[in-house]
Amino acid sequence: EAGVAQSPRYKIIEKRQSVAFWCNPISGHATLYWYQQILGQGPKLLIQFQNNGVVDDSQLPKDRFSAERLKGVDSTLKIQPAKLEDSAVYLCASSLIQGAVYEQYFGPGTRLTVT
Amino acid sequence: KQEVTQIPAALSVPEGENLVLNCSFTDSAIYNLQWFRQDPGKGLTSLLLIQSSQREQTSGRLNASLDKSSGRSTLYIAASQPGDSATYLCAVRRQGAQKLVFGQGTRLTINP
Repeated sequence: EAGVAQSPRYKIIEKRQSVAFWCNPISGHATLYWYQQILGQGPKLLIQFQNNGVVDDSQLPKDRFSAERLKGVDSTLKIQPAKLEDSAVYLCASSLIQGAVYEQYFGPGTRLTVT
Repeated sequence: KQEVTQIPAALSVPEGENLVLNCSFTDSAIYNLQWFRQDPGKGLTSLLLIQSSQREQTSGRLNASLDKSSGRSTLYIAASQPGDSATYLCAVRRQGAQKLVFGQGTRLTINP
């Protein structure tokens, strides 16, 4: 079974530029999550999708961050314009909707450096 | 608001020792708790998941316990090996929710 795929793996941009990350979840997983992990901290949920719909985006800085999940499969996370404090690893995860466990499977992450 | 704390932030032990990593959470109304491993530059690998009705889970040399009433979980690693060096994260899932709330992690180094 293929895991969660993310691209790019690394990105370096200057502040005020824009950037986009892509995630392809495990086949059949209806729920998709984007987390931000700042160096030395645990991941923090930015947004959760269930199929096409947003379940939780309470910690997403909506003035600069946006995300979409087209056709309930792939997802993109965009930052525009980027700030220095956005430097972090952006992790995508997915989980099955059925069952009572909701175990999440994580991709390798995208390391963003904003200079 | 659920807060998850892991102590210590870093731990260095010689190879072969048994060790315990600690995780505490402020809201005991959890659905389950998960322990992850994160290698440098990599994503998270799930190690163990404990449902709120369970007291412990075991996988190989790893044993995780859960005391929901006191808001604590421990991850026990037996006969540590240099390959166990990584950051270990615990995360809790609140009842009625799917998202995970993470601790800040414990960076473990096993010295040969």
